[in-house]
Amino acid sequence: SQQGEEDPQALSIQEGENATMNCSYKTSINNLQWYRQNSGRGLVHLILIRSNEREKHSGRLRVTLDTSKKSSSLLITASRAADTASYFCATDALSGSARQLTFGSGTQLTVLP
Amino acid sequence: NAGVTQTPKFRVLKTGQSMTLLCAQDMNHEYMYWYRQDPGMGLRLIHYSVGEGTTAKGEVPDGYNVSRLKKQNFLLGLESAAPSQTSVYFCASRLTTWGGRSSYNEQFFGPGTRLTVL
Repeated sequence: SQQGEEDPQALSIQEGENATMNCSYKTSINNLQWYRQNSGRGLVHLILIRSNEREKHSGRLRVTLDTSKKSSSLLITASRAADTASYFCATDALSGSARQLTFGSGTQLTVLP
Repeated sequence: NAGVTQTPKFRVLKTGQSMTLLCAQDMNHEYMYWYRQDPGMGLRLIHYSVGEGTTAKGEVPDGYNVSRLKKQNFLLGLESAAPSQTSVYFCASRLTTWGGRSSYNEQFFGPGTRLTVL
């Protein structure tokens, strides 16, 4: 089952605008990660936020985490056409005897030039 | 470093045929994973390995087998392919499962193998 669920499923914005994607999850986590996938490629790690953190920044990326609501958001500021990709949240939690990542279904972001 | 590589990139099988997908990593990572990705969905874990000689089932293991004879390689086998196994398969590796550094928690992905079963 999908632990993380992204919202919206698709987002289309103009270059220069900000893009916000949301992720909700169901169980306790160690950390939450965001990945990016360009069409036809593998996933690339963007940013990680630990369960005891509330906000984290990396360049044009800002991630928030609200463990009480079991939700996270990814903000991309001043978007560029090159940001067009699918974005996935992944929750890192203990499953059985090992930590595993469980991915959401993703948000398809299109940035129009 | 090549990172995580996957062989082959594309493959078309007929129902009932068998094949093996190869994943290799040169980062000395302990953990390796096989996922499948279907249209409009995220990745679902098939099998994973916590080290050389060990494997474990993930969320959707049926119809697949794996082996980790060498630390750097993780093989995914389909003994009798079915159309439901048409998908894009991704391999990933991870340094370890604990540690304070973010790099211990990040997974590195291969470019994927697009498999079609007719």
